[in-house]
Amino acid sequence: DAGITQSPRHKVTETGTPVTLRCHQTENHRYMYWYRQDPGHGLRLIHYSYGVKDTDKGEVSDGYSVSRSKTEDFLLTLESATSSQTSVYFCAISARDNYGYTFGSGTRLTVV
Amino acid sequence: ELKVEQNPLFLSMQEGKNYTIYCNYSTTSDRLYWYRQDPGKSLESLFVLLSNGAVKQEGRLMASLDTKARLSTLHITAAVHDLSATYFCAVVVDWGSQGNLIFGKGTKLSVKP
Repeated sequence: DAGITQSPRHKVTETGTPVTLRCHQTENHRYMYWYRQDPGHGLRLIHYSYGVKDTDKGEVSDGYSVSRSKTEDFLLTLESATSSQTSVYFCAISARDNYGYTFGSGTRLTVV
Repeated sequence: ELKVEQNPLFLSMQEGKNYTIYCNYSTTSDRLYWYRQDPGKSLESLFVLLSNGAVKQEGRLMASLDTKARLSTLHITAAVHDLSATYFCAVVVDWGSQGNLIFGKGTKLSVKP
């Protein structure tokens, strides 16, 4: 969607390696979220941010860390990738004043 | 803990038929969202329902919200093949602070000619 981009779009990595996914927005929204999508589970929240350097854990945060040093960027890091982290990762931003959430195009991560 | 349940999870319909997807949630929330997802694509916002009794319609899709019953429905009228996709409902947790969306597992809709 316009205003939010994720990179990379696809990545294959080896078990045990660190991986960082990037979410970049141009909307200046305060709230940013990382979700993972797996078959049969819908989307589940990993971490979220409510401002620069302000982050908190979601439902499935084990094995993940995040950072937000600038309003526009929210990074998701897999400290040591495992096969169970093979998934599609979506970033979302929220303009809470209009109740909307906008999702990025997703990153398909495969851990082999 | 808020839980969101959708049913059915799979729905195969013929073109021209009507059907309803149900979304139940377990605790109080007055913000409910419906999204559409095509294979390999992102989530597209369909409807935002903000109050009890809210009804919104777009083309062949109509969504409603009953906050007392903790139930939302997505009604499909005279289905066409282009509506084939996965549909998710999502409910907001703690709108005043986190504003996290809790998703149902999705309903995969297949409309056959």
